[in-house]
Amino acid sequence: GENVEQHPSTLSVQEGDSAVIKCTYSDSASNYFPWYKQELGKGPQLIIDIRSNVGEKKDQRIAVTLNKTAKHFSLHITETQPEDSAVYFCAASRSGTASKLTFGTGTRLQVTL
Amino acid sequence: DVKVTQSSRYLVKRTGEKVFLECVQDMDHENMFWYRQDPGLGLRLIYFSYDVKMKEKGDIPEGYSVSREKKERFSLILESASTNQTSMYLCASSPPATDTQYFGPGTRLTVL
Repeated sequence: GENVEQHPSTLSVQEGDSAVIKCTYSDSASNYFPWYKQELGKGPQLIIDIRSNVGEKKDQRIAVTLNKTAKHFSLHITETQPEDSAVYFCAASRSGTASKLTFGTGTRLQVTL
Repeated sequence: DVKVTQSSRYLVKRTGEKVFLECVQDMDHENMFWYRQDPGLGLRLIYFSYDVKMKEKGDIPEGYSVSREKKERFSLILESASTNQTSMYLCASSPPATDTQYFGPGTRLTVL
């Protein structure tokens, strides 16, 4: 089955700096890669996703890049703000299999003032 | 607005008790999922369901069962709770032919 590794497990940045979280996956048939943000006391919420026919996707301060050859994808957050502090999860799946996602182990991001 | 609710935010049970965790979604979604979340392990899929009365095992089904009698409700059952089932349990749902999952707020279960 699929295996997703995520690094780092914790990340501390100053407000205004950029943050990068990286994931690798093992199943070359995976073609859907979402990122979820989990704030304290809440369930994870989708913030951005990318499919294997696209190399990069951007939504305001958030971007995701995908390297299919190397089987890794990354989340980039620019101009970080205190409200970006949360736990971030990457995931991978074969689209069409009822979204059976395999999640990474999570990254706790802390944005300090 | 998408809404997934879970019956309890916090639950404390004794070893050997039968435990029911309930999840309800109001979006008419076909697909529903149960995960457990543990520090350093991320989210791991326990069971999922494509339709009423249909269920499939996820990656860690041992010690759990599920029930889906109605489309909007998906229950996770711990037949005989054990201390290693102390965890955060997350329910999610998704509509057909899409990949986005919508999560509930979670139930933190402690088994003493």
